[in-house]
Amino acid sequence: KAGVTQTPRYLIKTRGQQVTLSCSPISGHRSVSWYQQTPGQGLQFLFEYFSETQRNKGNFPGRFSGRQFSNSRSEMNVSTLELGDSALYLCASSLYRGKNYGYTFGSGTRLTVV
Amino acid sequence: DQQVKQNSPSLSVQEGRISILNCDYTNSMFDYFLWYKKYPAEGPTFLISISSIKDKNEDGRFTVFLNKSAKHLSLHIVPSQPGDSAVYFCAARGGDDMRFGAGTRLTVKP
Repeated sequence: KAGVTQTPRYLIKTRGQQVTLSCSPISGHRSVSWYQQTPGQGLQFLFEYFSETQRNKGNFPGRFSGRQFSNSRSEMNVSTLELGDSALYLCASSLYRGKNYGYTFGSGTRLTVV
Repeated sequence: DQQVKQNSPSLSVQEGRISILNCDYTNSMFDYFLWYKKYPAEGPTFLISISSIKDKNEDGRFTVFLNKSAKHLSLHIVPSQPGDSAVYFCAARGGDDMRFGAGTRLTVKP
């Protein structure tokens, strides 16, 4: 079965622009989480969606937002991009929520802000 | 908030020897711990996990040890192989929250 698909793989944007990243979870998975990976900071949790509702949110400014559709696909949006938003954005899906359900990660979207 | 810390950004070991990757956490609500492995240009992949009711979990060459009183876990890889060269992230879950460390880059030299 297909894994977690993130599009696009690479993106270059200029400061002040906005960007939308897409994540298609594994078929049947209902939970989607987003992480930001930067050198030295590891994986920083952005938010989690389950059944089209945001269930959990990390410590990021309001410029970062997301949503989940009825087919469990998710998008995250970053408005008014800053240079520091350059990072690898990873999406992970899980069958359900909770600690005993493992995450499967996508390959990520590499965002560069210039 | 660095609730999960991997204090060694990199580790280099010789093929065939043991690799020990360490992870510390601060939140006593964490009760499930995982290790992920990440190759360049790929997403992290799940490696091994341990529940807080255990102190050791073994899967082939990989063993995770948990010391709850010290809030410390470690991943042992024996014997290390060049294909193990990757970035290793530890993660901790408490309820619905999962936090990751910054990662340790392991290099296994032939």
